[in-house]
Amino acid sequence: QKEVEQNSGPLSVPEGAIASLNCTYSDRGSQSFFWYRQYSGKSPELIMSIYSNGDKEDGRFTAQLNKASQYVSLLIRDSQPSDSATYLCAVRTNTGNQFYFGTGTSLTVIP
Amino acid sequence: SAVISQKPSRDICQRGTSLTIQCQVDSQVTMMFWYRQQPGQSLTLIATANQGSEATYESGFVIDKFPISRPNLTFSTLTVSNMSPEDSSIYLCSVDGPGLQKGEQYFGPGTRLTVT
Repeated sequence: QKEVEQNSGPLSVPEGAIASLNCTYSDRGSQSFFWYRQYSGKSPELIMSIYSNGDKEDGRFTAQLNKASQYVSLLIRDSQPSDSATYLCAVRTNTGNQFYFGTGTSLTVIP
Repeated sequence: SAVISQKPSRDICQRGTSLTIQCQVDSQVTMMFWYRQQPGQSLTLIATANQGSEATYESGFVIDKFPISRPNLTFSTLTVSNMSPEDSSIYLCSVDGPGLQKGEQYFGPGTRLTVT
């Protein structure tokens, strides 16, 4: 079983819609959760971190964490073509240095 | 967040040779990491570069193949030794976020390696 699992997509949404990206993780003791955006040919860029159950909003981005279900999601409101990228879910375990990435979900926002 | 640079940004190397990749950070950081991202794949942690001691390698990665140096808190190198085409990949260094941003990792721009 992989530590972090994501739907690989591709996910396509029309411009202005809400894009929903999902991630599950296996280590119940994980404490830190992150979403990275990676444009083609570029390195990953941190866009959201979340540590507590519930929602965390930052501009058009909302991260949701449910530790009981071992589930993390990222919502992108009012999606723009510039949001087209691969989104990586990452989880940091209690051992600190163990930082696991999912395989990423490819998002395309259609103008 | 810290500003991270890597050299070289890309290289094409012949099999059997070695390449050393440099990672420079503009501030002192406790933790530095090296990742590999193969084409179309996610990131795989190679090792944690420890200042003043040997690197800590993940399963499947060994020091003879990927020797790492960390002479101070702002610099690290990763060498890819005796390269084969299977080593063609993007190599990324990352650092822990400072202060309140502990737990977050920030990535350098990456080194795109092609082995022929």
